[in-house]
Amino acid sequence: NAGVTQTPKFRVLKTGQSMTLLCAQDMNHEYMYWYRQDPGMGLRLIHYSVGEGTTAKGEVPDGYNVSRLKKQNFLLGLESAAPSQTSVYFCASSYGAGAIFYNEQFFGPGTRLTVL
Amino acid sequence: GNSVTQMEGPVTLSEEAFLTINCTYTATGYPSLFWYVQYPGEGLQLLLKATKADDKGSNKGFEATYRKETTSFHLEKGSVQVSDSAVYFCALIWSNYQLIWGAGTKLIIKP
Repeated sequence: NAGVTQTPKFRVLKTGQSMTLLCAQDMNHEYMYWYRQDPGMGLRLIHYSVGEGTTAKGEVPDGYNVSRLKKQNFLLGLESAAPSQTSVYFCASSYGAGAIFYNEQFFGPGTRLTVL
Repeated sequence: GNSVTQMEGPVTLSEEAFLTINCTYTATGYPSLFWYVQYPGEGLQLLLKATKADDKGSNKGFEATYRKETTSFHLEKGSVQVSDSAVYFCALIWSNYQLIWGAGTKLIIKP
C-alpha cells in the first residue's frame, strides 16, 4: 500500500517550458487535491477533484491545468512555466464521502520545481 | 470568510521543554480542527484532530483542545524531543472537504 505517490521528485524548467506532474493514490479515494507550498505562506490549493472526470479551481489556479481521467490519478500541468511557479507541489487525497470531519487528507512526498 | 491564524515561527526550545503553538480560527458554524506535521523533506501527515467543541485530540504526546468560546486550538506537549523538530500546520474543515490552512510554525528543538 503505497498511499499517495508523486513523480517527479525534482524538476528544473526554463521559462516557457511545459511539464506535467503526476499524482497517484491507491486508497480508492474520491477526492484529490493539488497544493503549492511557498515559504511563509503555508499551503495554497491550486485545483481539486471530487471524482473521476471532474475538476474544480482552488485558491490559485492561474497558470495550471489539471485532469482526472482515472480515479487513482490526478495530473497537474504547467503550460508555460514562469519563475513565480517555483515552489514545492503537494498532492493529497481524501475519502470524500460521509461526515466531512473524518476526511483526513493524505499527502504525497512533494515535487520541488524550479523555474529559471 | 473562514481563516486560520498561527503564531509565527520559528519556535526554538531546548529538549524536555514545554511546547505551546497557538492557533485561532474564524469560521461560521462548527468546523472540525486539525494539526498536521511536516518533517524535513516529507509531505504533511495528520497529527491530531477534534470534531466538536471541548473535544481533545491527542497523539504522540501532543494535545489540543477545541475551544469554541475562544475560537482556539492550541497545540501543546509537555516534554519535547529533538525528533519533534518539524513544521506544524493548523487547519480547519467546514464544508466541501476543503481544508483552510494556517501558515505553519517551524519548531526547532535543541539537544
